[in-house]
Amino acid sequence: QKEVEQNSGPLSVPEGAIASLNCTYSDRGSQSFFWYRQYSGKSPELIMSIYSNGDKEDGRFTAQLNKASQYVSLLIRDSQPSDSATYLCAVNNGFGNEKLTFGTGTRLTIIP
Amino acid sequence: DTGVSQDPRHKITKRGQNVTFRCDPISEHNRLYWYRQTLGQGPEFLTYFQNEAQLEKSRLLSDRFSAERPKGSFSTLEIQRTEQGDSAMYLCASSFSAAEETQYFGPGTRLLVL
Repeated sequence: QKEVEQNSGPLSVPEGAIASLNCTYSDRGSQSFFWYRQYSGKSPELIMSIYSNGDKEDGRFTAQLNKASQYVSLLIRDSQPSDSATYLCAVNNGFGNEKLTFGTGTRLTIIP
Repeated sequence: DTGVSQDPRHKITKRGQNVTFRCDPISEHNRLYWYRQTLGQGPEFLTYFQNEAQLEKSRLLSDRFSAERPKGSFSTLEIQRTEQGDSAMYLCASSFSAAEETQYFGPGTRLLVL
């Protein structure tokens, strides 16, 4: 079992719709969770961070964390063509072990 | 620009040659990380520094790889006797050392070994 798993996609969503990206992780001790966006040929850019169970909203983005189910998701509302990218889920277990473990990413395409 | 910077942005080398990459972190950040990313994969952790101390190294970091952060500011990653399998994007990130601190990535150095 991979430490961080994502559906590799591609995921196609019509413009204006909600895109839903999912991630599961294997280490129950994980403390911090991040979503990064990566355009082709570019480096990862932070979209959201979440540390506690529940929802966290920032503009059109909502991150959801359920530690009991070891599941974290990202919702993108009112999807725009500029949201087309690969979305990387990253996890670290904090408490001094600060390296990030990434999933393989989900490729999202917003269809105009 | 106060973000993480990396140099060079692209490097083409022949197998067997040595290469060195540089990373300048965000100035207030005392943690610096190196990751490697190959096509279709997420970044994989290589090593990280807190100030000048190298605190962790991945099993991926063979003895051909060495990283330094001599004065706790910029860092270098050297690959000796490059192999074709070393072709990848090498990413540097930096953060504060407090818990829950976000890592910010530089633009990366894309290495191609011929």
